[in-house]
Amino acid sequence: GAGVSQTPSNKVTEKGKYVELRCDPISGHTALYWYRQSLGQGPEFLIYFQGTGAADDSGLPNDRFFAVRPEGSVSTLKIQRTERGDSAVYLCASSLRQGALYEQYFGPGTRLTVT
Amino acid sequence: AQKITQTQPGMFVQEKEAVTLDCTYDTSDQSYGLFWYKQPSSGEMIFLIYQGSYDEQNATEGRYSLNFQKARKSANLVISASQLGDSAMYFCAMLQGAQKLVFGQGTRLTINP
Repeated sequence: GAGVSQTPSNKVTEKGKYVELRCDPISGHTALYWYRQSLGQGPEFLIYFQGTGAADDSGLPNDRFFAVRPEGSVSTLKIQRTERGDSAVYLCASSLRQGALYEQYFGPGTRLTVT
Repeated sequence: AQKITQTQPGMFVQEKEAVTLDCTYDTSDQSYGLFWYKQPSSGEMIFLIYQGSYDEQNATEGRYSLNFQKARKSANLVISASQLGDSAMYFCAMLQGAQKLVFGQGTRLTINP
């Protein structure tokens, strides 16, 4: 079956612009996660959805970052007034449910470059 | 808060040899889960193996095994009979709050022919 997909695969934008990154989870997966991976680092948690609601958004760095999952499937990560420090690979993952017994399946990521 | 430490930035191994990638962790939780992921140059994170803190046996998945030493808070990944396709970044991670993964810095493994 299809895995987690993310679009676009690459995004180059100018400082100050608004960007949207999309994640299509595996069908039937109720839990969805966003992580950010800076160059040479491990991924860092941003936000977690259980169904349509953001169950934990403690990893969002500031109020320029926002994510939605209106129908409990596709999620969009939105970044306003982008800064050069936002440049990173944004990874999305989904799991059947939350918890250690349920493996998180990762997408290929969106590489965001802010110039 | 949980913390994962991977002290080997890079490892070089001859093909067909076994390799151990180190991981130590810090947590005050009694129940926790530890994961290893592989990240090839394509960027996708691939799940390799999972160890629960109450599991009595060390986890194994094919050529991957996890050397879990609870008292030392270490969860090293052992890859037997390494292959050229094993060259990648490897991340150790811990599940925090049963929902979010906390990752280490990673180890870049290079398998030489």
